[in-house]
Amino acid sequence: AQSVTQPDIHITVSEGASLELRCNYSYGATPYLFWYVQSPGQGLQLLLKYFSGDTLVQGIKGFEAEFKRSQSSFNLRKPSVHWSDAAEYFCAVDRGSTLGRLYFGRGTQLTVWP
Amino acid sequence: GAGVSQSPSNKVTEKGKDVELRCDPISGHTALYWYRQSLGQGLEFLIYFQGNSAPDKSGLPSDRFSAERTGGSVSTLTIQRTQQEDSAVYLCASSLQNIQYFGAGTRLSVL
Repeated sequence: AQSVTQPDIHITVSEGASLELRCNYSYGATPYLFWYVQSPGQGLQLLLKYFSGDTLVQGIKGFEAEFKRSQSSFNLRKPSVHWSDAAEYFCAVDRGSTLGRLYFGRGTQLTVWP
Repeated sequence: GAGVSQSPSNKVTEKGKDVELRCDPISGHTALYWYRQSLGQGLEFLIYFQGNSAPDKSGLPSDRFSAERTGGSVSTLTIQRTQQEDSAVYLCASSLQNIQYFGAGTRLSVL
C-alpha cells in the first residue's frame, strides 16, 4: 500500500539553527513529491516539488529538498531557521497517474525557540 | 490572482443536521479535490473531480458524504445526518499540471 512516513512528530530548533525534516515513501516507481507547510488556521502552502531531473530542488522561503531514490526519501532542509518558520510541515506523494490524489505523511510540527 | 476559496470558514452544527461546504477553485483548474484533516487521522483524501470524467469517490467514508461539481467549477461537499466524528477541517484543492493548491479550509464542529 502507498504510504508516506514522517518519523518526527515534533521537532524543536533554535532560531538560526539548521533544520532537516525527514520523509520516506513506499512506492515502486518514482512518484511526484511535495512539501507543504501549514500555519495555524491556514490551508496548505506549497514549499517545493520534485517531478524529475535534478534531485536537489529549491523552494520558497529558503527551503530545499533532496530526492534520494536509493533511500526512497525526500528530506526537507533549511540552513538557518527563522521564528516565522514555526508551523506544521507535510510531505506528500502523487503517483503521477490519472488518479491524481495526494498521499500525505502525518506531519512534523516545528517549534522555533528564540 | 485569486486562490482557492472555501466557505464557510467555520461551521458549527448539531448532530443529525445536514451541512454543505463550498469550494471555488482557481479559474482554469480542471481538477478539484476534497480532503479531510482531523487530529486522529491526519490528511485523508475524500473525492476527486477531473474535467468531465466520473469522480473518484473512493475516499468518501460513508454514504452520508457526497459531492458535486457544477459546470466544471464550483464544488459542494454535503454531509448528511452529521455525526460527532465528522468534526474536522475540510480542505479543498484545485490542480493544474499535477500541482495542488489548497484553500484555507472549513472547520466543521458537530455538537
